[in-house]
Amino acid sequence: GNSVTQMEGPVTLSEEAFLTINCTYTATGYPSLFWYVQYPGEGLQLLLKATKADDKGSNKGFEATYRKETTSFHLEKGSVQVSDSAVYFCALSGSGGGADGLTFGKGTHLIIQP
Amino acid sequence: DTAVSQTPKYLVTQMGNDKSIKCEQNLGHDTMYWYKQDSKKFLKIMFSYNNKELIINETVPNRFSPKSPDKAHLNLHINSLELGDSAVYFCASSRGQGGEQYFGPGTRLTVT
Repeated sequence: GNSVTQMEGPVTLSEEAFLTINCTYTATGYPSLFWYVQYPGEGLQLLLKATKADDKGSNKGFEATYRKETTSFHLEKGSVQVSDSAVYFCALSGSGGGADGLTFGKGTHLIIQP
Repeated sequence: DTAVSQTPKYLVTQMGNDKSIKCEQNLGHDTMYWYKQDSKKFLKIMFSYNNKELIINETVPNRFSPKSPDKAHLNLHINSLELGDSAVYFCASSRGQGGEQYFGPGTRLTVT
C-alpha cells in the first residue's frame, strides 16, 4: 500500500535559517503529492502541491519538487519566520482511481525561535 | 465564507453514548472524507464518499457510520463511544478523486 515517511521533530530553528523537511513516499503508479500545514488549534491548510514528476510546488516562500527517481518531495524555505511555527504534513493521493483519501506522513513539528 | 465547516468544535461525552458530528462544504465538491487525528497528530483516513461509492477504511470499527443527506453534507455518527475514540476528527472535501482536499477546522471529541 501507499506510505509516506517524513522526518520527525520537533525541528527547532532560529529565525531566518534555511529549512528542509524531508519526505519520501511509496506508492504505485503516479500519485499527486502535497504539503499541508497545521497551525495550533486549527485544521489543515494546503501549502503546496505537485501532480507529476519534476513539478515544483511553491507558496509563501516554501518549495518542494516531485522527484520520482528518489521518490521524494522535500519541503524547503530559504528564510523561516516565527510565524512559520506549525506542524507540517507530507501527503499523497493515490493514482489508482476511486475516492481515495490522502495518505499522510506523521507530521513534523517546526519551532522557529526569534 | 467558510468552505468546509464542522459542528460541534468540541464534544465531551461519556462512554457508551451515541453522538454525531456534522460536516458541510460549500465548494461544490463531489467527494467528502472523514479523518481521525490521534494524540500524536497522526492523521488517518476513515471514510471517503461521493455520490457513487463509499470507501471504508477496513480498520474503522463498524460503530462509526457516515451519513450523507446530500452532496454538500457528510455527517459522522458514532455508536457506543469508547475511551479510544477520543481524538480530533476532520472532515474534508475535494473536486473529483485524487485531487487536493480542503479541510474543516476539526472536532475535538473527548470520551470520559
